[in-house]
Amino acid sequence: AQTVTQSQPEMSVQEAETVTLSCTYDTSESDYYLFWYKQPPSRQMILVIRQEAYKQQNATENRFSVNFQKAAKSFSLKISDSQLGDAAMYFCAYRSTGGANSKLTFGKGITLSVRP
Amino acid sequence: NAGVMQNPRHLVRRRGQEARLRCSPMKGHSHVYWYRQLPEEGLKFMVYLQKENIIDESGMPKERFSAEFPKEGPSILRIQQVVRGDSAAYFCASSPRLVAAKNIQYFGAGTRLSVL
Repeated sequence: AQTVTQSQPEMSVQEAETVTLSCTYDTSESDYYLFWYKQPPSRQMILVIRQEAYKQQNATENRFSVNFQKAAKSFSLKISDSQLGDAAMYFCAYRSTGGANSKLTFGKGITLSVRP
Repeated sequence: NAGVMQNPRHLVRRRGQEARLRCSPMKGHSHVYWYRQLPEEGLKFMVYLQKENIIDESGMPKERFSAEFPKEGPSILRIQQVVRGDSAAYFCASSPRLVAAKNIQYFGAGTRLSVL
């Protein structure tokens, strides 16, 4: 079974600075998907970024980018130019490539606070 | 295009009562997933359904819990004889057909169940 580990329960960043959130996972599969979801106080789960394991290039979405290290099974999220609205819980998630086994497996999450 | 709609947002039940949680997927989506989030935890997979079929229920407790996604109408997660340990946020996600999908699951805002 796949597992996702987020070992840092909390992090804090100064507004406009850069912060990196860590995530590691364990799998025996060679092809899969990785995600970062944001959960603000409203509880709505919002997709931040997605990475396909067969792609070597790291995904980027505006101020959000990932550092995907397949051999190390590491998938960190970098937030540049942090904004107050980035304060939320962030969840790393894993998904197999499809078929019946297409559930998301989540880490426990990390609470990010942004200092003005 | 409306997102995933869940209702109610908040549901209060006394021990022994039944809870019915509803989820209307995004238009055109035929796959529905239910997840449960306990306080200070990540989301845990419960069940994956397609129209009129349960594909994967490996995360759902064997007793008191059931789910359906009928041909017409929303998906329903039903919890019979609720206990205090059922108190949690329940999230629904939907995705289009896997062949056409980029394996992104879109989440609703969740239903917070409180058992008194």
